[in-house]
Amino acid sequence: QSVLTQPPSVSGAPGQRITISCTGGSSNLGADYNVHWYQQIPGSSPKLLIYDNTNRPSGVPDRFSGSKSGTSASLAITGLQAEDEADYYCQSYDSSLSGLVLFGGGTKLTVL
Amino acid sequence: QVRLLESGPGLLKPSETLSLTCTVSGFSISSGYYWGWIRHLPGKGLEWIATMYQRGITYYNVFLKGRVTMSVDTSRNQFSLNLTSVTAADTAVYYCARRVGAAGDYYFDSWGQGTLVTVSS
Repeated sequence: QSVLTQPPSVSGAPGQRITISCTGGSSNLGADYNVHWYQQIPGSSPKLLIYDNTNRPSGVPDRFSGSKSGTSASLAITGLQAEDEADYYCQSYDSSLSGLVLFGGGTKLTVL
Repeated sequence: QVRLLESGPGLLKPSETLSLTCTVSGFSISSGYYWGWIRHLPGKGLEWIATMYQRGITYYNVFLKGRVTMSVDTSRNQFSLNLTSVTAADTAVYYCARRVGAAGDYYFDSWGQGTLVTVSS
């Protein structure tokens, strides 16, 4: 079902910068719908991390940032910390199917 | 601060109907916003199931092929999910959440803790 493609896994050492990509198509990201990102620590519910491409909810550190261009989006994490180890999901809307909310397949971030 | 809490049976047999309820506290669902259900399939990612406005406007994931219905009870500040004819493929952690945003730019800003539903004979 997912037409938002994410890499299955990424890794980085503490203090490093990593990025997670999210690639869509002409009926979602390419149709100018915004992308949103969630962090899910194992055993916990997803937490909104970035909304409307670049905005951080209150309480989210500025080490997390988002960007979007055309049919692709990225989540960047700088100054990687052990507590960042989690699954990350992008999410958008698809106009090809009525009311369809799309999630990416998720990316497992491992902090080495 | 809005809080959401899912409740329902943890174990079902194939072909049964799954019924889940989400109780909202700290915010009146009559005040607005859409409310939704998302599930986390084991070994896979998140899957959106349905979203509903308190006045009955509802959107369903077409890939669930008409098995899903949502309802809302504003007097109890609750909303519910029914999923018929369950199979093992419906085994997942089910979350309720509040949807915000507008004009297609929707996202979920508050989530429940999730409830594990297992379908097994």
